[in-house]
Amino acid sequence: EAEVAQSPRYKITEKSQAVAFWCDPISGHATLYWYRQILGQGPELLVQFQDESVVDDSQLPKDRFSAERLKGVDSTLKIQPAELGDSAMYLCASSSSPGFGEQFFGPGTRLTVL
Amino acid sequence: RKEVEQDPGPFNVPEGATVAFNCTYSNSASQSFFWYRQDCRKEPKLLMSVYSSGNEDGRFTAQLNRASQYISLLIRDSKLSDSATYLCVVNRSNQGGKLIFGQGTELSVKP
Repeated sequence: EAEVAQSPRYKITEKSQAVAFWCDPISGHATLYWYRQILGQGPELLVQFQDESVVDDSQLPKDRFSAERLKGVDSTLKIQPAELGDSAMYLCASSSSPGFGEQFFGPGTRLTVL
Repeated sequence: RKEVEQDPGPFNVPEGATVAFNCTYSNSASQSFFWYRQDCRKEPKLLMSVYSSGNEDGRFTAQLNRASQYISLLIRDSKLSDSATYLCVVNRSNQGGKLIFGQGTELSVKP
């Protein structure tokens, strides 16, 4: 069964350091999403790509977060500099039909900022 | 006020019980609706879509009331394996399929 791959699974960093997360969506899925999930809350969309283009980054803190999907396949989410409040689970999801289709989530990267 | 609100949990029920989760959404432009299940420290996975006519999948029944902007999930004959967090999700299809998640309701089924 095709899956969304993410790495690393866990990341511990100190505040002010840079961190990067990688996601490889299900093959053929043109739409890729990055979500942040704080403990006890539901996931919140950070950025959505359609192929290599950003469709929605309205909730992305652009002063410190950046995301790219250069070839329209895998994607990287970066935080620089990391802050204590960035500690969360970062989930990547992909979909073949963004309007009504199911989104498939990867296992996530759990970030702890010390 | 959050766009999608769910019953605060946790729900602690014995095996075999029937449990119902409620959810309301505030954006009337929402187009499609889902329940996702999330096991502890795992990723969310689609449990079922929710249709206006109501739909059933085994022990699970989902209902949607567009007029009241209300979604429900009923689980009959609860199993230990049903223990998880249940996320109510709405899709603003007019915004490229953006999913809006509720905060989740935790269910713990006890023997």
